[in-house]
Amino acid sequence: ETGVTQSPTHLIKTRGQQVTLRCSSQSGHNTVSWYQQALGQGPQFIFQYYREEENGRGNFPPRFSGLQFPNYSSELNVNALELDDSALYLCASSSPYEKLFFGSGTQLSVL
Amino acid sequence: AQSVTQPDIHITVSEGASLELRCNYSYGATPYLFWYVQSPGQGLQLLLKYFSGDTLVQGIKGFEAEFKRSQSSFNLRKPSVHWSDAAEYFCAVGTYNNNDMRFGAGTRLTVKP
Repeated sequence: ETGVTQSPTHLIKTRGQQVTLRCSSQSGHNTVSWYQQALGQGPQFIFQYYREEENGRGNFPPRFSGLQFPNYSSELNVNALELDDSALYLCASSSPYEKLFFGSGTQLSVL
Repeated sequence: AQSVTQPDIHITVSEGASLELRCNYSYGATPYLFWYVQSPGQGLQLLLKYFSGDTLVQGIKGFEAEFKRSQSSFNLRKPSVHWSDAAEYFCAVGTYNNNDMRFGAGTRLTVKP
């Protein structure tokens, strides 16, 4: 098991709502990356945070936003939820240029 | 743009048989290549990575992968599969700082007793 924890583990929302997912990084890691994994697909990079600043972003609309806190934990916020946002959201923490340690994910269902 | 193709969606092998999972990448510069494994309900665990040097890379759990630049491939191998190896396997290509790592669609491995 990694030291990366994500909450909640499961979440059900309705279309148009907003959601916040949380990630606690492994001790000593200052970089957090977020990925979306749709059913039957590989993870897709959403964005990365390094020392509280966004450090790269994938092809996701602005309604996907994030934060990183001074303790390096992170939040992923999604506004105006759409049905296609239903997926497993994975958080990964790392030290710069080191391997990623993934959490077990948050399963989001949008009805 | 960097991308990864895993041609096999699902592979079934008998326990004790050898395994090879295919991965082809597209990347303009020297690629950073990875193989991850995901068990049901779990996050991804790194099996091995290639940045440079020896093209045959050893990983955890008895896995190895070979980087072949001429074929743009990074295939994963294991000489003898165990029932516990049943999982989803993902190949990925990334940058030196893990920024914008691109994953393939995955290969699901089933192990027959």
